[in-house]
Amino acid sequence: NAGVTQTPKFQVLKTGQSMTLQCAQDMNHEYMSWYRQDPGMGLRLIHYSVGAGITDQGEVPNGYNVSRSTTEDFPLRLLSAAPSQTSVYFCASRRGGGEQFFGPGTRLTVL
Amino acid sequence: GIQVEQSPPDLILQEGANSTLRCNFSDSVNNLQWFHQNPWGQLINLFYIPSGTKQNGRLSATTVATERYSLLYISSSQTTDSGVYFCGVNFGNEKLTFGTGTRLTIIP
Repeated sequence: NAGVTQTPKFQVLKTGQSMTLQCAQDMNHEYMSWYRQDPGMGLRLIHYSVGAGITDQGEVPNGYNVSRSTTEDFPLRLLSAAPSQTSVYFCASRRGGGEQFFGPGTRLTVL
Repeated sequence: GIQVEQSPPDLILQEGANSTLRCNFSDSVNNLQWFHQNPWGQLINLFYIPSGTKQNGRLSATTVATERYSLLYISSSQTTDSGVYFCGVNFGNEKLTFGTGTRLTIIP
């Protein structure tokens, strides 16, 4: 099993550009989540999904969209990038009530 | 509101020392995990421990759900133990809530 994979590893954007961070898991987990990590702020939940077709907002959803068309994939879209979205983004997955696993992260810089 | 607090925020130890990291939480817990974020940024699963005690080599963890805390013990610290330790708590909903972490630095 590859576990949770994320692409790209690094990305630089200009203010106003849009992009999609990809996340996939091969463990047939129902739950998938996106977090951002900023210095001194820990891990903050952006959006999460409890199954294909079902998504909901976390603590810091503004400026991000998600969709979950399959169990395996959970892409995160930045609609119009802003410097405040410079961060490290982690995707995670787990079974209901089970252990959560993280992907390797995407380091995003918005200029 | 629901809270997860970790202490201490920073810990600097000599190689070979033992350490105890604490995670307090504000409500009944469905599950609790400890993670280690290494200096390269990877988040590594250490323990899935909603209650009781588990051990894995030099590391062990105890969760006392009735008193709303969990402890992570690291014995005979090595420089590779350096990094940030997070606890993540699920309070019976779909989300895992994280503390702000303990930064551990092991000096050779």
